[in-house]
Amino acid sequence: DIQLTQSPPSLSASVGDRVTITCRAGRSISGYLNWYQQKPGKAPRLLIYAASSLESGVPSRFSGSGSGTDFTLTISSLQPEDFATYYCQQSYGTPLTFGGGTKVEIK
Amino acid sequence: QVQLVQSGAEVKKPGASVKVSCRASGYTFTDYDIIWVRQATGKGPEWMGWMNPNSGTTGYAQKFQGSVAFTRDTSISTAYMELSSLRSEDTAVYYCARGRAISIIRLQICLDVWGQGTTVTVSS
Repeated sequence: DIQLTQSPPSLSASVGDRVTITCRAGRSISGYLNWYQQKPGKAPRLLIYAASSLESGVPSRFSGSGSGTDFTLTISSLQPEDFATYYCQQSYGTPLTFGGGTKVEIK
Repeated sequence: QVQLVQSGAEVKKPGASVKVSCRASGYTFTDYDIIWVRQATGKGPEWMGWMNPNSGTTGYAQKFQGSVAFTRDTSISTAYMELSSLRSEDTAVYYCARGRAISIIRLQICLDVWGQGTTVTVSS
């Protein structure tokens, strides 16, 4: 199985801050990395697919980068509705796997 | 609009089976794989497997081989997940999601539409 390690596991930030979350794969997954946002009691929501493509309807303050084993999700200016848990997920090989999550909390 | 609507919460005793439905609307059901994912409280999502609604072909994560079955009824655009021999560790929220291709290779996908989730509680 391809392990995905997210860091940090949690972070505290203020509205307007730039936030960066990283996801490291146990082996190269090319660009087959997706990012999701999940709020309590809700299903995950797709933000970024194929490492850097913004899903339709997702605000442009979200961006993704990386390839191979190292990937980044960036929120350029954190908004109140962005406080949530973020997961990366690889679809390079089966089983599809998810990272452990990064919880973004209000400072 | 494009959506997946799942059946309601279930409470089951250990050793029982549960069947969760996932009804698709707003798109052609047979054009996209259905992926099943579960999430225990406080944990990350866990992939269970996939089904091609057109052919009925399925693939299961090794952990669930022999205990889970995915089926579908194309006449009502509905997918089903049945999990048997339930244990307390199967207590989780179960999601269906639509798999959208990001390459020509099977399962190089993103999960772009999700059901609302079905809570399955296994307790004696």
